[in-house]
Amino acid sequence: DAGVIQSPRHEVTEMGQEVTLRCKPISGHNSLFWYRQTMMRGLELLIYFNNNVPIDDSGMPEDRFSAKMPNASFSTLKIQPSEPRDSAVYFCASSLASDMRSGSTIYFGEGSWLTVV
Amino acid sequence: RKEVEQDPGPFNVPEGATVAFNCTYSNSASQSFFWYRQDCRKEPKLLMSVYSSGNEDGRFTAQLNRASQYISLLIRDSKLSDSATYLCVVNSPRGSQGNLIFGKGTKLSVKP
Repeated sequence: DAGVIQSPRHEVTEMGQEVTLRCKPISGHNSLFWYRQTMMRGLELLIYFNNNVPIDDSGMPEDRFSAKMPNASFSTLKIQPSEPRDSAVYFCASSLASDMRSGSTIYFGEGSWLTVV
Repeated sequence: RKEVEQDPGPFNVPEGATVAFNCTYSNSASQSFFWYRQDCRKEPKLLMSVYSSGNEDGRFTAQLNRASQYISLLIRDSKLSDSATYLCVVNSPRGSQGNLIFGKGTKLSVKP
């Protein structure tokens, strides 16, 4: 079975450019997560969706970041304009979670390695 | 206090050694606990869930102490292939919702 699929795997872009990261969750999963990982801060939750609805976006750093989930099989994370401090690995993950309070195993994509110069 | 805290290590051990990692969490309402493993430049992957009664999976044993709010992972007879970063993960209920909180990880290096 296909896992979580992310694209692009690597991106190098110049400061000020728009960056769009894409994610296809595991089929049948109803929760989707966007995480950012850096050496300094570890793995941070940016936003998560349940049944395509954004539930908690308190981790989104600022207005330059936006995420959408137009349907159950696709999500995007957009950074506009990008800055060097946005350089990180961005992971998308999904889970089959009927109760977010109790938590559930989540499955990660291979990540999108972003470098902003 | 951070929601999930781990000793970053690194733990450098010889093959065959037994090594233990601890993790503390701050939210007493947390209900689900996991250990994830992350290899260098790879995504985190579930290693094992942690149950109240403790659980074992081959050379790996996980334990939960709710009273003290800590979780442990014990690796026996460590292998070179166990070298990785081990992430402690705890769910954090907030009202009707919640999410998983990841520790920064403990790095393990197993040497020949």
